[in-house]
Amino acid sequence: DTGVSQDPRHKITKRGQNVTFRCDPISEHNRLYWYRQTLGQGPEFLTYFQNEAQLEKSRLLSDRFSAERPKGSFSTLEIQRTEQGDSAMYLCASSPRVTGPNYGYTFGSGTRLTVV
Amino acid sequence: KQEVTQIPAALSVPEGENLVLNCSFTDSAIYNLQWFRQDPGKGLTSLLLIQSSQREQTSGRLNASLDKSSGRSTLYIAASQPGDSATYLCAVLTQGGSEKLVFGKGTKLTVNP
Repeated sequence: DTGVSQDPRHKITKRGQNVTFRCDPISEHNRLYWYRQTLGQGPEFLTYFQNEAQLEKSRLLSDRFSAERPKGSFSTLEIQRTEQGDSAMYLCASSPRVTGPNYGYTFGSGTRLTVV
Repeated sequence: KQEVTQIPAALSVPEGENLVLNCSFTDSAIYNLQWFRQDPGKGLTSLLLIQSSQREQTSGRLNASLDKSSGRSTLYIAASQPGDSATYLCAVLTQGGSEKLVFGKGTKLTVNP
């Protein structure tokens, strides 16, 4: 297993365009998370899935954001009508089970979005 | 609502020095605490995970401690090297309700040769 994969690594887009990011979690992990990180800040939670079900969405996730995880495998995060404030690193993570003290998160390398 | 604070925000030390990074959290009902490393423009690499029932974890030159009752954790780095230069992030997984990792803002470490 190669860990959590994210694609693309970098994306530059013009304001108003739509963008889509992909995350492939570790295969046996049933939980998948999306975080956003701006410069000098820690990652902030956006949303998470348990298998194909989206269980929680942050208030940071405006109506322009949508995430899917069809068939409980890979996930996509789409941002419609991008704004300059959307410029950030988008991080994906997965974990092997619902909860518990033994299970940490594994993060991908992130997708850096720049909106010009 | 869980809040995580990391002090200092930045730290610069000469090579070879031992150092301590601090993390505090407001809600002690946690499953675990993770320390991550982040290089500039990169994703997060997990360094250590401490379960709520544990007091410390060690990996190589790294030692992390946890005092759940006081809401504190420290990351000790022995004999620092220039390659240790990175941002170190602390995150807690809180029990009950919204079970997701909550992060601090990180400590940016620079180890000077």
